[in-house]
Amino acid sequence: NAGVMQNPRHLVRRRGQEARLRCSPMKGHSHVYWYRQLPEEGLKFMVYLQKENIIDESGMPKERFSAEFPKEGPSILRIQQVVRGDSAAYFCATRDTLTNEKLFFGSGTQLSVL
Amino acid sequence: ELKVEQNPLFLSMQEGKNYTIYCNYSTTSDRLYWYRQDPGKSLESLFVLLSNGAVKQEGRLMASLDTKARLSTLHITAAVHDLSATYFCAVDNPLRGGADGLTFGKGTHLIIQP
Repeated sequence: NAGVMQNPRHLVRRRGQEARLRCSPMKGHSHVYWYRQLPEEGLKFMVYLQKENIIDESGMPKERFSAEFPKEGPSILRIQQVVRGDSAAYFCATRDTLTNEKLFFGSGTQLSVL
Repeated sequence: ELKVEQNPLFLSMQEGKNYTIYCNYSTTSDRLYWYRQDPGKSLESLFVLLSNGAVKQEGRLMASLDTKARLSTLHITAAVHDLSATYFCAVDNPLRGGADGLTFGKGTHLIIQP
C-alpha cells in the first residue's frame, strides 16, 4: 500500500494561471478531504468528497476553487486564475469509512504563485 | 463553530526537561488527535484519543484527554533534540459526525536545544 499520494510536490504558477493538484487515496479509501495550510498556521478544512460526490465544501472559497473525485482516477483540487494569496501547502487526507478514526495524510503540494 | 486552541504556540526548551502542551476545544467532540509535523513535511499521526480519561504513551510523549474540561495535554518527558517539530491537536466536529474532517489548532512550535 503506497499510502496517500499527492502530486506535484511543488507547483509554481504565475498570477492568472490555473493550478491542478492531485490526490490518490490509499487503496480502499473512498473518503477524501482537502486542507490548506498557510505559513505558521494549522490546517484549514476545504472540502470533503466521496467517489463522484462533493459532500461538504463549506471550507472552499466561493470563487475560483473547485474539487472533484471521479469514479476513476485521483481527486483533483483546481484553482483557477491563481493569486498570490493562494500560495500555501495543500494537503489531502483519506480514510476508508466515515467513522474510522484513522485518517492518513499525503505529503502535500506546495503551491507558489509568482 | 468548533474552535481549537493550543498553548503555548512557541516553546523553546532544553534537552532533559519536561513540558506540557495544552489543547482546549470549544464543544463536545468524538475524537481528539495529536499530529507531528516537521518543516516541509506532512503530518505524522501520534495519538487518537477516543474517550474521557484516555491516556496514551509512545516513547517520551504521553497524551491525555479530559472531555468534561474539553482539554487534552501532550506531555514531553526528558526531551531530546529529535522531538523538535510542530505539534498539532485536532478534533472531529461532533455536529457533522466527522464529515467535514478535522478542526486543527494553530500548532505548537517546539524547539529543543542541547
